Amino acid sequence: AQSVTQLGSHVSVSEGALVLLRCNYSSSVPPYLFWYVQYPNQGLQLLLKYTTGATLVKGINGFEAEFKKSETSFHLTKPSAHMSDAAEYFCAVSATLAGSARQLTFGSGTQLTVLP
Amino acid sequence: NAGVMQNPRHLVRRRGQEARLRCSPMKGHSHVYWYRQLPEEGLKFMVYLQKENIIDESGMPKERFSAEFPKEGPSILRIQQVVRGDSAAYFCASSPTDSSYEQYFGPGTRLTVT
Repeated sequence: AQSVTQLGSHVSVSEGALVLLRCNYSSSVPPYLFWYVQYPNQGLQLLLKYTTGATLVKGINGFEAEFKKSETSFHLTKPSAHMSDAAEYFCAVSATLAGSARQLTFGSGTQLTVLP
Repeated sequence: NAGVMQNPRHLVRRRGQEARLRCSPMKGHSHVYWYRQLPEEGLKFMVYLQKENIIDESGMPKERFSAEFPKEGPSILRIQQVVRGDSAAYFCASSPTDSSYEQYFGPGTRLTVT
């Protein structure tokens, strides 16, 4: 079984400031981890994913995330926020074992506001 | 290369009516997932289908909900006798194979039950 906890349902940062969105997961098997972004009234767009290999993964729009197994975390960061980053962000986990369910388990989301 | 397509984008139904939501996966994708997003919540898995097969329906409500993915045509999520609590955004995602963990999402269908 898997679960995802996103700390902070709302995060506000100033334009140009660091963005840090927190995600902790629980999984009984090695996880695959994802961050998605959702703009109002739109579907989800994949920002980045961790499957295997390098634990620091880079995604689109300048975002990156680091998989820390010891902390069961996969926090999302961006060095400098832009107004266009304002959106809702979802962390998700899926199982990796062959034959395991492929569905994504999502966190409850973090709404990012970027202040001018 | 068209992405995942869903229609209608908005659907209004009165209580007791039926809702049919359609999803056309990306070209070359034969695996479809349906998720529901209730207001102020994240997405919850409903069902996973391959062509002509339901692989995992562990997230589907036991009554009134059904899904199919026929050999030809889009995947259909059907909700019979809708109730107010069915009002939500329903998202479809597709992937090319069962070993691909990357899912591509459609724009969603927003169902409102009046």
